[in-house]
Amino acid sequence: NAGVTQTPKFRILKIGQSMTLQCTQDMNHNYMYWYRQDPGMGLKLIYYSVGAGITDKGEVPNGYNVSRSTTEDFPLRLELAAPSQTSVYFCASSYVSREDEQYFGPGTRLTVT
Amino acid sequence: QKEVEQNSGPLSVPEGAIASLNCTYSDRGSQSFFWYRQYSGKSPELIMFIYSNGDKEDGRFTAQLNKASQYVSLLIRDSQPSDSATYLCAAYTGNQFYFGTGTSLTVIP
Repeated sequence: NAGVTQTPKFRILKIGQSMTLQCTQDMNHNYMYWYRQDPGMGLKLIYYSVGAGITDKGEVPNGYNVSRSTTEDFPLRLELAAPSQTSVYFCASSYVSREDEQYFGPGTRLTVT
Repeated sequence: QKEVEQNSGPLSVPEGAIASLNCTYSDRGSQSFFWYRQYSGKSPELIMFIYSNGDKEDGRFTAQLNKASQYVSLLIRDSQPSDSATYLCAAYTGNQFYFGTGTSLTVIP
């Protein structure tokens, strides 16, 4: 199993550009999550999904969109990138939620200038 | 606002000592609590979770939960230099995880 994979690893965007961060898991997990982590800070939940076709907002959803058309994939879309979106983005998945381990991807380091 | 607070440290302990990491949470509806370890530049990895009051032990790690005080802790016995990392506390509430800012731990050989 590859676990949770994310692409790209690094990206530099100009203000106003758009991009999609890719996330794929091969563990047949129901739950998937997108977090951002700013320097010296904890993780903030952007969006999550409890299954294909179902998504919901987390703590910091503004400026982002997601979709979940398959169990495996959970892409995160940034529209009109802003410097405040400079961060490290982690995708995670778990089989269930309350008592189950979240498996994290390696992260995408995004800089918006 | 659902908050999880941790002392950011840094916390330094000598090799072989006990490291004690603390976390408080604001939402009494929080159902379960997780401790993650994160090495610099890496993704978080789960150490353990706890959802019942009391202690839970796993090897050198013990998690303690006191719901009345809204307090969670992690004890690391016989600390090793490889334990040097940032430790993130997370609370699970209403389908979402809320993370603290993490405590940086350095184990000095």
